[in-house]
Amino acid sequence: AQTVTQSQPEMSVQEAETVTLSCTYDTSESDYYLFWYKQPPSRQMILVIRQEAYKQQNATENRFSVNFQKAAKSFSLKISDSQLGDAAMYFCAYGTYNTDKLIFGTGTRLQVFP
Amino acid sequence: DAGVIQSPRHEVTEMGQEVTLRCKPISGHDYLFWYRQTMMRGLELLIYFNNNVPIDDSGMPEDRFSAKMPNASFSTLKIQPSEPRDSAVYFCASSFAAGGFTGELFFGEGSRLTVL
Repeated sequence: AQTVTQSQPEMSVQEAETVTLSCTYDTSESDYYLFWYKQPPSRQMILVIRQEAYKQQNATENRFSVNFQKAAKSFSLKISDSQLGDAAMYFCAYGTYNTDKLIFGTGTRLQVFP
Repeated sequence: DAGVIQSPRHEVTEMGQEVTLRCKPISGHDYLFWYRQTMMRGLELLIYFNNNVPIDDSGMPEDRFSAKMPNASFSTLKIQPSEPRDSAVYFCASSFAAGGFTGELFFGEGSRLTVL
C-alpha cells in the first residue's frame, strides 16, 4: 500500500530565511506524481507545486522548489526568502496515473517569525 | 470562477441529529472528492465521484455516512445519526481530468462540524 510520511509535525523559520520540509513515500509504482499543498489559517488548501516522477528536473515555482530523490522516495519542499504569509500547514501528497485519488501525509505546521 | 463552494462553514449539532453538508464544484470539473480532516487522522478521503458516479466509497467510515451527486453542480454528504467522533472539518474538492486525472485538486473552505 502506498503511504506518505511527513516526520516533522512543526517547523519554524525566520522571515527571509530558507526552510526545508521533508516528505517520504512508499510505493511500488514507477510512474506517479507528487504534490505539496498549503493550508493557511483560512483552511482552504491550495496547490503549491507538482512533480511528475518521470521528470528528472526538480520543479520550481518562484520561491518554492522541491528536491525529488526517486531512489530514496523522498520529496522535500524548500521555501526560500520565507515570508509571513508562508505560515501554514503544508501537506505532501502522492497520486498515480491509474487511480483517481491522492494520498496525503499528516502535514507539517510552519511558523514564520519576523 | 467562484471556486468550490461549501456550506455550511460551521455546524454545531447534538448527537443523534442528521447533518447535511453541501458542495458546489467548479463548473466543468468532472471529479468531486469528499475529505475529512482531524488532528488524529489527518486528511482522509471518504468518497469520490467521476461524472456524478460514485467511484470509490471505501473511505466512508460506516453506514451512518452517505454521499450523493445528483448532478454535475451539486453534491451532499449526509451523516445520520451524528456522533461526537464525527466532529471534524469536511472538505470538498473538485478536479478537471480531460486526458486523464492529473491529481490537481481545487478545495473548498471546508465545513467545520461539531457534534455535542
